[in-house]
Amino acid sequence: QKEVEQNSGPLSVPEGAIASLNCTYSDRVSQSFFWYRQYSGKSPELIMSIYSNGDKEDGRFTAQLNKASQYVSLLIRDSQPSDSATYLCAGLDMEYGNKLVFGAGTILRVKS
Amino acid sequence: EAQVTQNPRYLITVTGKKLTVTCSQNMNHEYMSWYRQDPGLGLRQIYYSMNVEVTDKGDVPEGYKVSRKEKRNFPLILESPSPNQTSLYFCASREGTGIYEQYFGPGTRLTVT
Repeated sequence: QKEVEQNSGPLSVPEGAIASLNCTYSDRVSQSFFWYRQYSGKSPELIMSIYSNGDKEDGRFTAQLNKASQYVSLLIRDSQPSDSATYLCAGLDMEYGNKLVFGAGTILRVKS
Repeated sequence: EAQVTQNPRYLITVTGKKLTVTCSQNMNHEYMSWYRQDPGLGLRQIYYSMNVEVTDKGDVPEGYKVSRKEKRNFPLILESPSPNQTSLYFCASREGTGIYEQYFGPGTRLTVT
């Protein structure tokens, strides 16, 4: 199993809908997680971090961490075409200097 | 403005011609790292540095060198570039132990012919 796994997508949602992006992780990864948004050809931009079990909300974004299921998700409410991007999930590799390990990313397309 | 900068942003070079990609951060971060991003392979760490004069290999260090003589700078050196090093490169930094939010530079697109 890869340390951090994501469905590559693309995930297509209509404008105004809730987009749900998911990520699973292995035992090697610590329970601190980060969501990055990356537009094509641009650098990853940090949008959410979550360190504890449960939900964390920031504007239209909600990160959810379920430690028992080793599952982390990102919900985007009222999706806009400008949210169309690749979303990267990352966790900390506890066995290797606490480096960030990234999933391959999920492509999100919001259709107007 | 807090930022990570990289130069150059675009570079086309030939096999074997040594090059350096600079990275600088103005946030007094202890931890810096270099990644390459390739289609289908995602972000892979090349090297990282936990502080001045402390560097270590990441997942794909072959063909690369780094140095950390000052806290703010972390250059990536390709002594003899080869075509398989054609990629999109990102520098990143974060504060250090216990604070793991990491911020990326704008990227350097390197083509080796």
